Amino acid sequence: EADIYQTPRYLVIGTGKKITLECSQTMGHDKMYWYQQDPGMELHLIHYSYGVNSTEKGDLSSESTVSRIRTEHFPLTLESARPSHTSQYLCASSDGKASGRILHEQFFGPGTRLTVL
Amino acid sequence: KNQVEQSPQSLIILEGKNCTLQCNYTVSPFSNLRWYKQDTGRGPVSLTIMTFSENTKSNGRYTATLDADTKQSSLHITASQLSDSASYICVVSDRGSTLGRLYFGRGTQLTVWP
Repeated sequence: EADIYQTPRYLVIGTGKKITLECSQTMGHDKMYWYQQDPGMELHLIHYSYGVNSTEKGDLSSESTVSRIRTEHFPLTLESARPSHTSQYLCASSDGKASGRILHEQFFGPGTRLTVL
Repeated sequence: KNQVEQSPQSLIILEGKNCTLQCNYTVSPFSNLRWYKQDTGRGPVSLTIMTFSENTKSNGRYTATLDADTKQSSLHITASQLSDSASYICVVSDRGSTLGRLYFGRGTQLTVWP
């Protein structure tokens, strides 16, 4: 069982509110990721980090921002939530090392389901 | 464009029956292919992972196959159980990425009825 946690699990808020989705892992992994997933659709990478003080935007444009001040913590922030931000947000981590030709797998948190009214 | 296509989109089977899920990909250069199980409202959990040289990999009642020539994979579930009801996602990684970039399919939604 992977030790990666996300809070809150569910969040319903009004338009214009600032929110922070928390993600923590206790595995000491250097690489962390944020994905966005709509029902019946594939996961889209929105942010990733190679390590402390490293953050990059992913494939899908997102108005959210992230920070990586500590190895174990990778929070995602929306300054002003809108209904278009309604989605499931999944956090993942990986040690990023390769065994043979395989990069070690990404372990996923349980996700945060965000609804913006 | 790197893509992962899965079929069928959804599937309903009776408890105890077998089923096979399909995955076609165009990701290049190919590194490995993973099958994940995602329960409703949860994050994906890895079932199997295969590299270019592997043709089959089993994990209990789950058996994955890979044909790297035709860029196809399948996931076979034997003697299905109610707890198998979930979305099964095919995920392909490319060899050139130091990030470990993953390309996700949309998943097959499996429902097992008693």
